[in-house]
Amino acid sequence: DSGVTQTPKHLITATGQRVTLRCSPRSGDLSVYWYQQSLDQGLQFLIQYYNGEERAKGNILERFSAQQFPDLHSELNLSSLELGDSALYFCASSVGTSREEFLHEQYFGPGTRLTVT
Amino acid sequence: AQKVTQAQTEISVVEKEDVTLDCVYETRDTTYYLFWYKQPPSGELVFLIRRNSFDEQNEISGRYSWNFQKSTSSFNFTITASQVVDSAVYFCALILPGPARQLTFGSGTQLTVLP
Repeated sequence: DSGVTQTPKHLITATGQRVTLRCSPRSGDLSVYWYQQSLDQGLQFLIQYYNGEERAKGNILERFSAQQFPDLHSELNLSSLELGDSALYFCASSVGTSREEFLHEQYFGPGTRLTVT
Repeated sequence: AQKVTQAQTEISVVEKEDVTLDCVYETRDTTYYLFWYKQPPSGELVFLIRRNSFDEQNEISGRYSWNFQKSTSSFNFTITASQVVDSAVYFCALILPGPARQLTFGSGTQLTVLP
């Protein structure tokens, strides 16, 4: 158990709908990352938050947005869903921006499997 | 931009055989960090090892060993005496230093260990 929790585990919804995925980082971790794993794109970085602020953006669609709340949990919002958005969405956390090498390690949650029909 | 290549899409071995998973990376930075993660059939991503670019010592952990060679930009992973429980997808990944610490993953290698 990595200590990162994600809800829900599975989500089935229809095209055009909007969903929210939730992530709680490990206790003490300030950074949260979202990744998407799909068959055709592999594992791709979407977005990173550090202590409530957006730190980096990857291949995140404009229909997707995220935020990190004061209690450090994060939500990934996916709207106007398309069939191609079906994927496994991972959240990961790490301590933050310390220079210490061991703190670069990211711990992954179990993922949310999104199916768009 | 950085890139990680795992040329082996699928590997199948018989239990107790040794197997090496290849990873080649590209980056212009001199400081970087390399990782291996395991994704078993249950789907979660499990951290296996981290290596920084200044430490070229090979590492052994039980049946797992890693061979890091900067000269060939490779970070290969060997499982000795493979077991059925080793069946999983293995990902190699790269992080560059800086405020954003996102992992750049390879496409993964599906390892199947047959009894």
